[in-house]
Amino acid sequence: QLQLEESGPRLVKPSETLSLTCSVSGGSISNKDHCWGWVRQPPGKGLEWIGSVCFTTSAFYNPSLKSRVIISVDTSKSQFSLKLTSLTASDTSIYYCTKEEQNPRGCFQRWGQGTLVTVSS
Amino acid sequence: DIQMTQSPSTMSASVGDTVIITCRASQSVNRWLAWYQQKPGKGPDLLIYRASNLESGVPSRFSGGGSETEFTLTIRGLQPDDFATYYCQQYRTNPWTFGQGTKVETK
Repeated sequence: QLQLEESGPRLVKPSETLSLTCSVSGGSISNKDHCWGWVRQPPGKGLEWIGSVCFTTSAFYNPSLKSRVIISVDTSKSQFSLKLTSLTASDTSIYYCTKEEQNPRGCFQRWGQGTLVTVSS
Repeated sequence: DIQMTQSPSTMSASVGDTVIITCRASQSVNRWLAWYQQKPGKGPDLLIYRASNLESGVPSRFSGGGSETEFTLTIRGLQPDDFATYYCQQYRTNPWTFGQGTKVETK
């Protein structure tokens, strides 16, 4: 069964860039029917979709974050990544990587366990 | 953005109970609605997609209904493993948005 696992720093300073990686196992990251993305959850709060990318269509990003986000896929490593720039304390969240079908997009069939990222000096 | 509102925010229930959670959308999402279960320290698990389709491996005591702006998640015969937080989510319009969650607690 396909599994996702997030990795990256636990503490990042304000104004810096967050880089997270999601490793995919138990399935092919190159499957053209699948899209790969990220959702976040401030501690004790609700879920916010960040964005996702597919092989055959353009990336979709939440308009509220679009100017600060890049999601990319590295098929050679079976990984995909999130870069979020210009961090503030409000970006402190648990970050989950996700897998969805390309058609229709937006229904998250698999989630990683999540990684807590704290933005603080 | 489409706002998703769940009710109640918290509910107390006992094993064997039937639980109904409601989700309302600020505009029509047709049937592009999913339900997830989340337990502490874990990522959510997909339960229901397209409003009423049961994800593979999910017990049949879970069911979903509704369309347009009104949806329900029903758990018939609540089991100990079902005490968790449940989220609805629309995927009709970018950005995909979630409800605030409903926590099902032990009575």
